[in-house]
Amino acid sequence: KAGVTQTPRYLIKTRGQQVTLSCSPISGHRSVSWYQQTPGQGLQFLFEYFSETQRNKGNFPGRFSGRQFSNSRSEMNVSTLELGDSALYLCASFSAPGAYNEQFFGPGTRLTVL
Amino acid sequence: AQKITQTQPGMFVQEKEAVTLDCTYDTSDPSYGLFWYKQPSSGEMIFLIYQGSYDQQNATEGRYSLNFQKARKSANLVISASQLGDSAMYFCAMPKKGGSEKLVFGKGTKLTVNP
Repeated sequence: KAGVTQTPRYLIKTRGQQVTLSCSPISGHRSVSWYQQTPGQGLQFLFEYFSETQRNKGNFPGRFSGRQFSNSRSEMNVSTLELGDSALYLCASFSAPGAYNEQFFGPGTRLTVL
Repeated sequence: AQKITQTQPGMFVQEKEAVTLDCTYDTSDPSYGLFWYKQPSSGEMIFLIYQGSYDQQNATEGRYSLNFQKARKSANLVISASQLGDSAMYFCAMPKKGGSEKLVFGKGTKLTVNP
């Protein structure tokens, strides 16, 4: 069974630009969560989706948005990029809400904002 | 609110020796779970082990075991027979309840295995 895939793996953008990151969960998994990891703040929760619905959102500005498609693939978008958005963005997939011990992460997208 | 504390920013261990990575947690939920993840320099978070609060026995997965002390609210990861490939960041995490699948993570411990 293929794991969680995230594309692209690396991105370099400049301030003010926008970016879209993609996450394909494990086949059969319908839930996806996104996390931002920075050296200063550690791992912080961004969003959680199940069956195309956002179930929860972390404490991030409105520049951060996401969505989930009918095939469970998810995208997150960051508009008007700031230097502080440079981070590793991790996606996790799990079979259903509550399936805590079946949550698996992708390799991440490393975003650098210049 | 759930909170995870990992007090060891960095740990060193000799190859083939055992090492314990500390994790303490705070929660008011009677039922909860605890995860340990490994994050090598490549960035991917690799699931290692899971302990449920009502599990009768401490979790074990190969060379990984969890020293779960519920009364002390600690869930330390024990890695036996350390290997060079074990060098990585290790994170302890707990799901945040209330209809969310959010994981609350500790700050992590960087483990270095010396030959």
